[in-house]
Amino acid sequence: GESVGLHLPTLSVQEGDNSIINCAYSNSASDYFIWYKQESGKGPQFIIDIRSNMDKRQGQRVTVLLNKTVKHLSLQIAATQPGDSAVYFCAENRRGGYNKLIFGAGTRLAVHP
Amino acid sequence: DAGVIQSPRHEVTEMGQEVTLRCKPISGHDYLFWYRQTMMRGLELLIYFNNNVPIDDSGMPEDRFSAKMPNASFSTLKIQPSEPRDSAVYFCASSLRGTQETQYFGPGTRLLVL
Repeated sequence: GESVGLHLPTLSVQEGDNSIINCAYSNSASDYFIWYKQESGKGPQFIIDIRSNMDKRQGQRVTVLLNKTVKHLSLQIAATQPGDSAVYFCAENRRGGYNKLIFGAGTRLAVHP
Repeated sequence: DAGVIQSPRHEVTEMGQEVTLRCKPISGHDYLFWYRQTMMRGLELLIYFNNNVPIDDSGMPEDRFSAKMPNASFSTLKIQPSEPRDSAVYFCASSLRGTQETQYFGPGTRLLVL
């Protein structure tokens, strides 16, 4: 996939460390949130999702935290590996006339050995 | 399942030409989405279908863009005439029951309009 944005924020971490990628969303009525990973030349790949009636959800090596009070979403990756290097997008299901997923600009995660 | 299939993977064309992008969603998924990704605007929803019917096309840039879904296993996105500013990666995605479900993306079509 394309590098999204000329000035994508980049998070650099050492292999084995934990990574935390943050995302602010804008619509308090959004009821579903999702994190995607996009590697170069590929489409976005689902990582984990969470509904607005939850504040935490865990997957394999990943945890998503939702703070509706401040409209903040985070993705935590445990024991980051070189294969985790990619651009990560959060998306919110914005409710309106028609529901739609609105994607954030993305954060590039660079994992160094 | 093979996942969402898109073709072609790469397309280079000249300004003014017609471009047709194709998508086969995951079997059994009721929703199909077309997105465009650019460096400047990120990932944008163009249009989506539910059971082959267009639901929201508010993201379609202009009349040069059109999308169809003649059956549950096939959709096209057409640009006529194409312009250099249409250069982008176009993704198709599908989901089982809507925008509150996981959308599975295809590999994308990288379009370059000269």
